[in-house]
Amino acid sequence: EVDLVESGGGQVQPGRSLKISCVASGFMFDDYTMHWVRQTPGKGLEWVSGISWNSNSIAYADSVRGRFTISRDNAKNSLYLQMDSLRLEDTAVYFCAKDFRGGYYDLLTHSAAPFDSWGQGTPVTVSS
Amino acid sequence: DIQMTQSPSSLSAAVGDRVTITCRASQSIGYFLNWYQQTPGKAPKLLIHGTSHLQSGVPSRFSGSGSETDFTLSISNLQPEDFATYYCQHSYRIPTTFGQGTRLEIK
Repeated sequence: EVDLVESGGGQVQPGRSLKISCVASGFMFDDYTMHWVRQTPGKGLEWVSGISWNSNSIAYADSVRGRFTISRDNAKNSLYLQMDSLRLEDTAVYFCAKDFRGGYYDLLTHSAAPFDSWGQGTPVTVSS
Repeated sequence: DIQMTQSPSSLSAAVGDRVTITCRASQSIGYFLNWYQQTPGKAPKLLIHGTSHLQSGVPSRFSGSGSETDFTLSISNLQPEDFATYYCQHSYRIPTTFGQGTRLEIK
């Protein structure tokens, strides 16, 4: 059974940094593209970033590009999101999500895929 | 970015009813449309992908249809566990975007 467990969320001041993690089990982690999706009561669900299995293809939402960095460590079955220069509007629950499609595809030129497994989410609050 | 608009934002129905939720894309997305169900405090759950393909383990009372810009999710014979919020999502390209959600409540 697929399991995704996020951690590392918390409260942080505007302009500071935070790194969240997701540990995966129950599937061949190094065969799948992975994503971060966030959710707020006001803006709903927002895709944040995605990374191919080999880290060769990475994409970001315009709202976080240049501030957030996605990475993965396949040896540790782990996905990460380094969030720098945090803003009030980054406050959300952050979910890691597994891509439905296995294998490599270029996130920027190929169609995307649904997310067939999600973690329980980790809350990030940006507040002074 | 492609905008996804769901209607209605909320609806009330009774156990045993049939309901339909609509999702409209701001441009043609072919059949790259997915539906998720979310209950409070939980992560979204994939129900339908590629407009009409039921995800493994999802009951057959759920069905999806549509193409290009207009899509529907139908739920027949509503069960108590179906009262939740439903989201559509396009997977035509990155960035993928979601509808604002439709909250299905018990009448």
